[in-house]
Amino acid sequence: QSALTQPASVSGSPGQSITISCIGTNSDVGGYNSVSWFQQHPGKAPKLLIYDVNKRPSGVSGRFTGSKSGNTASLTISGLQAEDEADYYCNSYTTLTTWVFGGGTKVTVL
Amino acid sequence: QVHLEESGGGVVQPGRSLRLSCPASGFIFSNYALHWVRQAPGKGLEWVAVISHDGSEKYYADSVKGRFTISRDNSKNTLSLQMNSLRAEDTAVYYCARDSVFLGMMGPGDDWGQGTLVTVSS
Repeated sequence: QSALTQPASVSGSPGQSITISCIGTNSDVGGYNSVSWFQQHPGKAPKLLIYDVNKRPSGVSGRFTGSKSGNTASLTISGLQAEDEADYYCNSYTTLTTWVFGGGTKVTVL
Repeated sequence: QVHLEESGGGVVQPGRSLRLSCPASGFIFSNYALHWVRQAPGKGLEWVAVISHDGSEKYYADSVKGRFTISRDNSKNTLSLQMNSLRAEDTAVYYCARDSVFLGMMGPGDDWGQGTLVTVSS
């Protein structure tokens, strides 16, 4: 149950697009279309942004899009805004009927 | 409106036990699996355990298997986590979270509590 691999930090200017990667294995990301992404602001509970690789819950901005290729999932934030500055975590189902999170990525809006 | 509220956190000595509770409201409790997720201070999220909607299936992270027990009381709309043989590395904010799908187990969804802090220290 090793954590999925995410970059520690990603930054961008307002209006730009950034992409966060989430690298797993055939036993998790690559084996199932059950990848989620969460946003977490300091001191707050995580908020679901994406589920089932690329689906958005109602109320989540269309600026957040998810995708997957092989063992790597990605979250793209387009039209970066100051409010997007937060920590982002990917999450995947695994073959052991467990779930695993990525190590988290801190997004900074320059 | 879905509401989950963890309680039971506190300071406990290594090797001792603690029981967390998470009463829920705003949805049909017995129709959803529930998860525990924790976050050590300044660290990332770690999935801990899940229990199916009817309590028949339970799964754990390797880091807590054999020490932690997840349970639920559908008559009281309450999720619990019994934590035994606590270690310093169990220090974290513990969140309960509703699964994202009806009657299934697809992972933590968009409904989380605010968390309760467990500190394991002598």
